[in-house]
Amino acid sequence: GAVVSQHPSRVICKSGTSVKIECRSLDFQATTMFWYRQFPKQSLMLMATSNEGSKATYEQGVEKDKFLINHASLTLSTLTVTSAHPEDSSFYICSARSQGNYGYTFGSGTRLTVV
Amino acid sequence: AQSVTQLDSQVPVFEEAPVELRCNYSSSVSVYLFWYVQYPNQGLQLLLKYLSGSTLVKGINGFEAEFNKSQTSFHLRKPSVHISDTAEYFCAVSENFGNEKLTFGTGTRLTIIP
Repeated sequence: GAVVSQHPSRVICKSGTSVKIECRSLDFQATTMFWYRQFPKQSLMLMATSNEGSKATYEQGVEKDKFLINHASLTLSTLTVTSAHPEDSSFYICSARSQGNYGYTFGSGTRLTVV
Repeated sequence: AQSVTQLDSQVPVFEEAPVELRCNYSSSVSVYLFWYVQYPNQGLQLLLKYLSGSTLVKGINGFEAEFNKSQTSFHLRKPSVHISDTAEYFCAVSENFGNEKLTFGTGTRLTIIP
């Protein structure tokens, strides 16, 4: 079945530094990937849609200069949180559209803590 | 724009009892519907999905859901729950596969009582 690997699973960084999160489709090609943010005990909020070879499409209210998304290949999308602040602490989850069964496969998530 | 409502934020159920988690959606066009389960500090796992055809959809772990277009609902059911079913459950909708966006409900925390 379709598998999406997300790395790292947990990261702690100092305020003002940048953090990169990787999302890989292991056994299929994903032309489109999605990045979500989830606050404790809340639902998933779509941050942006990442398309291979083109600029990401950000949802309203999401700072594109703060959350940099790169989708350089059909199997890899990255989210970089730049100049992180404590309010950026959250659970970030990626998802990839798998063509064969019209499904959306999710990564295991990244717990970001900014101190 | 589509939206999803999960009316129950928490549902406690005794082990081996049946359960129904409610989901209602709103959309001006045809939709595709999904149920996902999330265990603590993990991503989402697909339980089942409705794309077309039979309105009764069977998924993994003994779950099933019924698409009711007239009531715009997609309730999730299981006839007998286990301790291992304790998790967060999310209903999601996609209007079409052109824009590919999934909109999630706020989630239902299912707690199984031994």
